[in-house]
Amino acid sequence: GENVEQHPSTLSVQEGDSAVIKCTYSDSASNYFPWYKQELGKGPQLIIDIRSNVGEKKDQRIAVTLNKTAKHFSLHITETQPEDSAVYFCAASKGTYKYIFGTGTRLKVLA
Amino acid sequence: NAGVTQTPKFQVLKTGQSMTLQCAQDMNHEYMSWYRQDPGMGLRLIHYSVGAGITDQGEVPNGYNVSRSTTEDFPLRLLSAAPSQTSVYFCASSYSQAGEAFFGQGTRLTVV
Repeated sequence: GENVEQHPSTLSVQEGDSAVIKCTYSDSASNYFPWYKQELGKGPQLIIDIRSNVGEKKDQRIAVTLNKTAKHFSLHITETQPEDSAVYFCAASKGTYKYIFGTGTRLKVLA
Repeated sequence: NAGVTQTPKFQVLKTGQSMTLQCAQDMNHEYMSWYRQDPGMGLRLIHYSVGAGITDQGEVPNGYNVSRSTTEDFPLRLLSAAPSQTSVYFCASSYSQAGEAFFGQGTRLTVV
């Protein structure tokens, strides 16, 4: 069935360094790839998304890249700050309301 | 604008009890869904609705019922709670297919 693998499960970086989280999806029909950030005790919140007709998208310190051939997409956070510490989820959708989520990455930014 | 509101925030049930988790949104979104979040397993879709009167099963529907009588509300019913249903439950809504999903704050449910 449809599957999204996410790595790593935990990631620690020094403040100011970059962080990269990678996801691989199984269904080649997937065409929408959002990234969510979940802070402790809160619901996930969309931080960036990309559609299959685009290879890269950037929003200030956050960027997402998509490789359709390899069926993987990545989240890049530059100049990390303590407030970036959270759990990040990737997801994939075939243009329907049904998302398949990755298992999450706990990012710790060390001051 | 409250967004997506879930109640209660915390609940402890005994095995076999039933209860309803409430979800309401004030954004006039057609699409609503319920997920459960378990350690190491991400978010898994339980049920979803594409509009009032229309619901469908997600990935893990067993043991749960939903209904959608209005655009605003999408309650999740546990028919006979089991320890395996101990989880954090999130309700989400979206204005379109394959668009941003807005999540509630979650309900932490413990079944003993």
